[in-house]
Amino acid sequence: AQSVAQPEDQVNVAEGNPLTVKCTYSVSGNPYLFWYVQYPNRGLQFLLKYITGDNLVKGSYGFEAEFNKSQTSFHLKKPSALVSDSALYFCAVMKTSYDKVIFGPGTSLSVIP
Amino acid sequence: EADIYQTPRYLVIGTGKKITLECSQTMGHDKMYWYQQDPGMELHLIHYSYGVNSTEKGDLSSESTVSRIRTEHFPLTLESARPSHTSQYLCASSLGWSVSHEQYFGPGTRLTVT
Repeated sequence: AQSVAQPEDQVNVAEGNPLTVKCTYSVSGNPYLFWYVQYPNRGLQFLLKYITGDNLVKGSYGFEAEFNKSQTSFHLKKPSALVSDSALYFCAVMKTSYDKVIFGPGTSLSVIP
Repeated sequence: EADIYQTPRYLVIGTGKKITLECSQTMGHDKMYWYQQDPGMELHLIHYSYGVNSTEKGDLSSESTVSRIRTEHFPLTLESARPSHTSQYLCASSLGWSVSHEQYFGPGTRLTVT
């Protein structure tokens, strides 16, 4: 069965430190991969995506993600965390453009001043 | 900001009532989705549509229905509201062709069933 895992429910990082939010997936072929962010009391926003090409993709607010096909991972990264990055982050996968999107369970990121 | 709208934003209703949650988008997106999300929790896909007159069931579809008569409109109906329906409902849309595919989400409808 197709699935998306975010192994950490909660990630805590000090302001200014690099952050990583992990995502692994179990989908055959060459899926499309996404990251979304949900700030407190706000809707979900698209951050970045991998469709094809360079394994390192850059997105909004200084975030980037690295696609690793052999490890079936798509980890979200940022070189220097801000307190305002504190939010709920969702990884999502779509097998093909004809399939529905599968969301991971979410990871709550807290950036400590 | 994405041009996707949901009404009402908040709704308190009694058990057994029939309700319709509205979702409209002005981006011409062919794909639309309904998700249920408890605060801070994961998203559950309720229904989705690939275009006009196309609807598919998601994981939590058994107690609700949708219709897609117009590209821009994708309403969700609960035939008989129950307290277990208390949650936030998020509508989303995406462009199904080219290399887009990312979803744009509405602000959500927070439903309370008493």
